[in-house]
Amino acid sequence: DIQMTQSPSTLSASVGDRVTITCRASQSISRWLAWYQQKPGKAPNLLIYKASTLESGVPSRFSGSGSGTEFTLTISSLQPDDFATYYCQQYNSNPLTFGGGTKVEIK
Amino acid sequence: EVQLVQSGTEVKKPGESLKISCKGSGYSFTTYWIAWVRQMPGKGLELMGVIYPGDSDTRYSPSFQGQVTISADKSINTAYLQWNSLEVSDTAIYYCARRAETYEYFVPWGQGTLVTVSS
Repeated sequence: DIQMTQSPSTLSASVGDRVTITCRASQSISRWLAWYQQKPGKAPNLLIYKASTLESGVPSRFSGSGSGTEFTLTISSLQPDDFATYYCQQYNSNPLTFGGGTKVEIK
Repeated sequence: EVQLVQSGTEVKKPGESLKISCKGSGYSFTTYWIAWVRQMPGKGLELMGVIYPGDSDTRYSPSFQGQVTISADKSINTAYLQWNSLEVSDTAIYYCARRAETYEYFVPWGQGTLVTVSS
C-alpha cells in the first residue's frame, strides 16, 4: 500500500497568512493526487485533483503543486472560512489511501 | 444538482446487524462508482470499498474485506453498507462518495451517517 504522510499535523495561522501543507507519498504517484477540505461536523469537500487542477467553484486562493512523491497545498491568503482539516489522497494505485490530515487552526 | 443523501444516525449494540444507505440523485446512478469511507472518532479517512451500481461490481480495501458488505439497488439509485455483527470498534462516521468519471477521486460526498455501537 502507498503511505501518504502529511505535515504538519496541526498548523496555527492568522487571517491573511500564506499557508502551505505538505503531502509525501511512500512511492511515486505521478500527479495522481487530490486534496480535500473537511470542516467540523461536515463531509470532506474536493478542492484539487491531479495535483494542481482546481475543482469548479473552489476559490483561487487555493493552489496545489508537486509530482512524484512530494506535493503541496497552498492557501495564498487565509480566510476565516478556511479553518478546517485538509486531507490528501493518492489515486495512483489501489488501495486508494489518504493522508492523516492537517488541521489549520486560528492563531 | 448531483447529491448523495445518507440514512440517519444509528445506535446499536455489539453483535447486532445494520444496513445504512446512500441515495444518489441528479446524475446517472448506474454509471459512476460509489465509495464508502470510514472516519473513526477524531481520526482520518479510510476507504472501505467501492461499487459500480450498473453491474454491482464491488471491490473492497484489504482491511475491510470480509468485515462489511457493500451492495446497490440501481432501481432506486441507492447504495448500501452492511454489517452482520457490529463491534464497538465499528463506531464511526461513514461517508459515501461518488467517484469521478475517469479518475479515482471523490466528488460529491454524502453528509455522513454516524454509527455508534455500545453495550
